[in-house]
Amino acid sequence: AQKITQTQPGMFVQEKEAVTLDCTYDTSDQSYGLFWYKQPSSGEMIFLIYQGSYDEQNATEGRYSLNFQKARKSANLVISASQLGDSAMYFCAMRVYNTDKLIFGTGTRLQVFP
Amino acid sequence: DADVTQTPRNRITKTGKRIMLECSQTKGHDRMYWYRQDPGLGLRLIYYSFDVKDINKGEISDGYSVSRQAQAKFSLSLESAIPNQTALYFCATSPTGGVTDTQYFGPGTRLTVL
Repeated sequence: AQKITQTQPGMFVQEKEAVTLDCTYDTSDQSYGLFWYKQPSSGEMIFLIYQGSYDEQNATEGRYSLNFQKARKSANLVISASQLGDSAMYFCAMRVYNTDKLIFGTGTRLQVFP
Repeated sequence: DADVTQTPRNRITKTGKRIMLECSQTKGHDRMYWYRQDPGLGLRLIYYSFDVKDINKGEISDGYSVSRQAQAKFSLSLESAIPNQTALYFCATSPTGGVTDTQYFGPGTRLTVL
């Protein structure tokens, strides 16, 4: 079965520090994509970063990077230099080859304090 | 202007009423999706459409129907709303179904069924 697991319901981080949000996935497919989305309190879903299963390098987008460990089936999001505006829910999602849906985890609520 | 728009943004209705949620996109994407989000459950796929003539059920389609009126428009209907359909509803689009394709989300519609 295909599944995304986010084991951290909530995380706290001080402003300007780095934080890692955990995501593990389960699939028997060889071709898949992993995504992270941010959902602020206003509710919209904002795409942050993508990692393909065949990508050899970890994805980076500005302050966001994805620590992809294929053998461990983990795709952790690292946010460097946290800002107050990073406070939000963060969802990890997976899309496998030849399917058309995103499978979401249950999310991690990140709170950044001054 | 936003690439993916949803109307209404908020709606309160009564049990048994018919309600339609609308989604429009200017991204030129062929694929459109409807998800619902419940607290603690992440997002779950209701319906998706590859193009105007191709509509498919997702994992939780019971009690919902959809209409793809044009490439840019995808509507979700609740024929007879019930309280457990109270949720946040998202429309999303993607250019194709490949694992690398990001799904881009609208701002969401918060629906309350009394």
